[in-house]
Amino acid sequence: NAGVMQNPRHLVRRRGQEARLRCSPMKGHSHVYWYRQLPEEGLKFMVYLQKENIIDESGMPKERFSAEFPKEGPSILRIQQVVRGDSAAYFCASSPPGQGARAGNTIYFGEGSWLTVV
Amino acid sequence: QKEVEQNSGPLSVPEGAIASLNCTYSDRVSQSFFWYRQYSGKSPELIMSIYSNGDKEDGRFTAQLNKASQYVSLLIRDSQPSDSATYLCASADSWGKFQFGAGTQVVVTP
Repeated sequence: NAGVMQNPRHLVRRRGQEARLRCSPMKGHSHVYWYRQLPEEGLKFMVYLQKENIIDESGMPKERFSAEFPKEGPSILRIQQVVRGDSAAYFCASSPPGQGARAGNTIYFGEGSWLTVV
Repeated sequence: QKEVEQNSGPLSVPEGAIASLNCTYSDRVSQSFFWYRQYSGKSPELIMSIYSNGDKEDGRFTAQLNKASQYVSLLIRDSQPSDSATYLCASADSWGKFQFGAGTQVVVTP
């Protein structure tokens, strides 16, 4: 899917552990988005980041979830003290620089990371 | 109110027929609209984008946008069993924030 790389693809965590999901955007892309998809549900926006900057985190749960996109390296979605309700597919997407949709940009998804909390 | 709304389906379509999917959005600042296809257990893949009122055709797919009615649709002509998937409608504002509908499941029957 257009070069957006996510890992791990599958992650199993026990309740109370931490989950770290990584996303490397497509080459030349500087905007990263994280979405969560619960079983049989649609994509829910979580956070929108540029390098070293959180643009919009209105979809992030207030506790236990955090995201970063450092100057060097991939974007990280971190979930602390996971609970069974965190079990979901987490999709990362990226888009080129410029003013988002105004510049006619679209977003391309990675393959997703499937988190299972046992 | 959800920002992007779609009928969840399933929409059952005979092979060879036209599948018609609808989507409405509530945010008037939305500037761009997209249709993604998602197979079970896979990530969404872009089918079409549309920015201006009217129709846009790409192969068997036609997207229609009516900003006054805040309505977007997707037509799939000559539907094939491989078109069976969930179709996600998305809107984007000028700052690049994308919002997705819950998706419409399409089932093409041989």
